[in-house]
Amino acid sequence: SAVISQKPSRDICQRGTSLTIQCQVDSQVTMMFWYRQQPGQSLTLIATANQGSEATYESGFVIDKFPISRPNLTFSTLTVSNMSPEDSSIYLCSVVSGQGTKVYGYTFGSGTRLTVV
Amino acid sequence: LAKTTQPISMDSYEGQEVNITCSHNNIATNDYITWYQQFPSQGPRFIIQGYKTKVTNEVASLFIPADRKSSTLSLPRVSLSDTAVYYCLVGDMGTGRRALTFGSGTRLQVQP
Repeated sequence: SAVISQKPSRDICQRGTSLTIQCQVDSQVTMMFWYRQQPGQSLTLIATANQGSEATYESGFVIDKFPISRPNLTFSTLTVSNMSPEDSSIYLCSVVSGQGTKVYGYTFGSGTRLTVV
Repeated sequence: LAKTTQPISMDSYEGQEVNITCSHNNIATNDYITWYQQFPSQGPRFIIQGYKTKVTNEVASLFIPADRKSSTLSLPRVSLSDTAVYYCLVGDMGTGRRALTFGSGTRLQVQP
């Protein structure tokens, strides 16, 4: 399965600023997913990022707040913009790897723990 | 995707067998049942997947009755390191074209 390097692992940020989270995958993957996990809660999908096209956002998440880049098949970034304390969460990226029509599995990064003060 | 219901939390002791049941009444014909494990400060990781009957790997067993409306994850002889959140997911994951949808999960606490 794919190996994901997610950076930073944690950060403390001032409200009103922005943070960009990076995910680097060790193999080419078509689809990457970004999740948010609020303290003590389950994972909520933010958006799906395909290389070469605009990201698809889930209800409640907008591009102006969470812009995503997907410049190639091994890399993606998620920016949390104009942060407020309510954005304090763990942010995770995920990929699905496979070959042709065979799906090997879903792999997750270790997450970015964001605290907004 | 089919909605899943599982207990919010469970407690166990080292060496015991733990069974976590997940209800998925609206499972579709093409849906698989997959379980993920999440430790604190880590992303979820795959444990086991099945379609029907019983599946066993080196980590766990998955029991699925004939009607597939529920499934049970069985962890044999748990240790303290099995303390984690366990998620039951149901969906047609074979295409890889959609993200995983997580329910509330079951928080397992293993005591010495």
